Amino acid sequence: AQSVTQLGSHVSVSEGALVLLRCNYSSSVPPYLFWYVQYPNQGLQLLLKYTTGATLVKGINGFEAEFKKSETSFHLTKPSAHMSDAAEYFCAVTPNNAGNMLTFGGGTRLMVKP
Amino acid sequence: DAGVIQSPRHEVTEMGQEVTLRCKPISGHDYLFWYRQTMMRGLELLIYFNNNVPIDDSGMPEDRFSAKMPNASFSTLKIQPSEPRDSAVYFCASRNRVPNTEAFFGQGTRLTVV
Repeated sequence: AQSVTQLGSHVSVSEGALVLLRCNYSSSVPPYLFWYVQYPNQGLQLLLKYTTGATLVKGINGFEAEFKKSETSFHLTKPSAHMSDAAEYFCAVTPNNAGNMLTFGGGTRLMVKP
Repeated sequence: DAGVIQSPRHEVTEMGQEVTLRCKPISGHDYLFWYRQTMMRGLELLIYFNNNVPIDDSGMPEDRFSAKMPNASFSTLKIQPSEPRDSAVYFCASRNRVPNTEAFFGQGTRLTVV
């Protein structure tokens, strides 16, 4: 079984500031990890994913995330926030043993102040 | 491919009425998921199918909810009778059989039961 915890249901940053959204997971087998973004009145779209290989993965819109096995974390970062980054962000996990259950965290709403 | 297509985008119905939500997954995808999103409970997995067969329906809230997938290109989620607490955004997502690939989401159906 797997689970995902996103610390902070709301995060507020100033435009140009660092964005850090936290995600911790638990999984009985090595996981595949995903970050999705949801803009208002839209479906979820993939930002980035970790499967194997390099633990620092880059996604769209300047976001990146680092898989840290020892910390069971997959935090999402962006060096400089833009107003257009305001959205809800979801971390998700699926086991890599051919299971296909995608388990989502509770989401973090990012607000960007001018 | 046009992506995952859901209809209708918005549905307003009276309590007690039957509601049917529709989903067309991406061609070639083996897995189809139905999620419900509310402010209180976040994103919940209701049911998912593999090759048109329901695999896990433990998230279906009660017998008023039913889902079918008569063929690889079409699925329905039915609520009968509907209740105000069913008001939510319902998402359909599809994915291929390879575990390290992401799920693709539709735009969602916003259901309001009055």
